[in-house]
Amino acid sequence: QVQLVQSGSELKKPGASVKVSCKASGYTFTTYAINWVRQAPGQGLEWMGWISTNTGNPTYAQGFTGRFVFSLDTSVSTAYLQISSLKAEDTAVYYCARDTPITIFGVVIHDTFDMWGQGTMVTVSS
Amino acid sequence: DIVMTQSPDSLAVSLGERATINCKSSQSVLYSSNNKNYFSWYQQKAGQPPKLLLYWASIRESGVPDRFSGSGSGTDFTLTISSLQAEDVAVYYCQQYFSTPVTFGQGTRLEIK
Repeated sequence: QVQLVQSGSELKKPGASVKVSCKASGYTFTTYAINWVRQAPGQGLEWMGWISTNTGNPTYAQGFTGRFVFSLDTSVSTAYLQISSLKAEDTAVYYCARDTPITIFGVVIHDTFDMWGQGTMVTVSS
Repeated sequence: DIVMTQSPDSLAVSLGERATINCKSSQSVLYSSNNKNYFSWYQQKAGQPPKLLLYWASIRESGVPDRFSGSGSGTDFTLTISSLQAEDVAVYYCQQYFSTPVTFGQGTRLEIK
């Protein structure tokens, strides 16, 4: 069964770190990139960036640089999102989603996100 | 960044009636070399992840009922549900993937009247 399965909910204190996992199954991990999308409580979808599962090269959207790190372990078909120095405003559901971006004349053009993980709720509270 | 603006923000439609959601992008998402609109619609039910409904603006994802259809090109797009069913209650999002950052509309909440 083709799916992305994410790790469970997390409750963290401000200043702590969290690492969310996204495990792929049912397809060849390196044929799709992994995107990360944030959804704050009651809010819409916000693209955080993506990581190439071929090269491991991450790209971060504006507002998600510095404290956010995308990484991979291709041996277990898993992508990770690590957030450090957590703040209350990081409280959100974090989704991974796959696509197949292409590069044309050095410009990355993404594809539709055809599969999403179930989401991981990260709550930051003292 | 390409800004995606959906209308209306919320919508109440009777069962069996037509529902229409619009999305406007601040710049064209039509790639002229292949004549494809880099645009999708997603459905998000309460407590669930988004689910892909349509891509390339009008291509239905496998398994999506044919009462869902998409139209439009360039900057103006429409999602139509031809005959609303109870299970269609959800928030619907449009998305452009023509350029980074990938951006989503603010969402349209669809309810039963």
